[in-house]
Amino acid sequence: GDSVTQMEGPVTLSEEACLTINCTYTATGYPSLFWYVQYPGEGLQLLLKATKADDKGSNKGFEATYRKETTSFHLEKGSVQVSDSAVYFCAAGSGGGADGLTFGKGTHLIIQP
Amino acid sequence: DAGVIQSPRHEVTEMGQEVTLRCKPISGHNSLFWYRQTMMRGLELLIYFNNNVPIDDSGMPEDRFSAKMPNASFSTLKIQPSEPRDSAVYFCASILGDTQYFGPGTRLTVL
Repeated sequence: GDSVTQMEGPVTLSEEACLTINCTYTATGYPSLFWYVQYPGEGLQLLLKATKADDKGSNKGFEATYRKETTSFHLEKGSVQVSDSAVYFCAAGSGGGADGLTFGKGTHLIIQP
Repeated sequence: DAGVIQSPRHEVTEMGQEVTLRCKPISGHNSLFWYRQTMMRGLELLIYFNNNVPIDDSGMPEDRFSAKMPNASFSTLKIQPSEPRDSAVYFCASILGDTQYFGPGTRLTVL
């Protein structure tokens, strides 16, 4: 089945710093790829997604590009804010996610003012 | 729309007791997923339903776990008997297209 590996946290940055959270996947086919964000005490929310190679997902200043050659989907943001502090999950889904998702362990991001 | 609704939000019980977690998916979504989240294992898919039919329950850890979806607007996850290692946050999610919408979760503590 699919597997997802993302960088361990916590990641601590100062406000306005650049962010990259690495994510790589293994899959037998070409899964859809997702980034979800979880704020304290809440469920996961979809942040962005990409369904095929070279697609770029973007939302709220975050971006990630589906790289088939490196089987990666790294999350990036040029200037982070304190409100971005949360846990970020990379996920892969065969069948476009309709058959369930395989999640990475999550990366806890802490942004200091 | 109220989103995916889960109840209870918190549950504390003693080892050996039966626990029932409940989920109401978003109206019109025809697939429902149950996940478990722990520090050690992260997020794990337990089971999912399409049109109220269980499709894949290979993630259900053992026979103590069971899930039902009697209609399109309600699902339960039952643990009987519960054990301390079942302590986790259990999430329900429903899907529209390829986007899963998660509920707020039920934090289960088994003493």
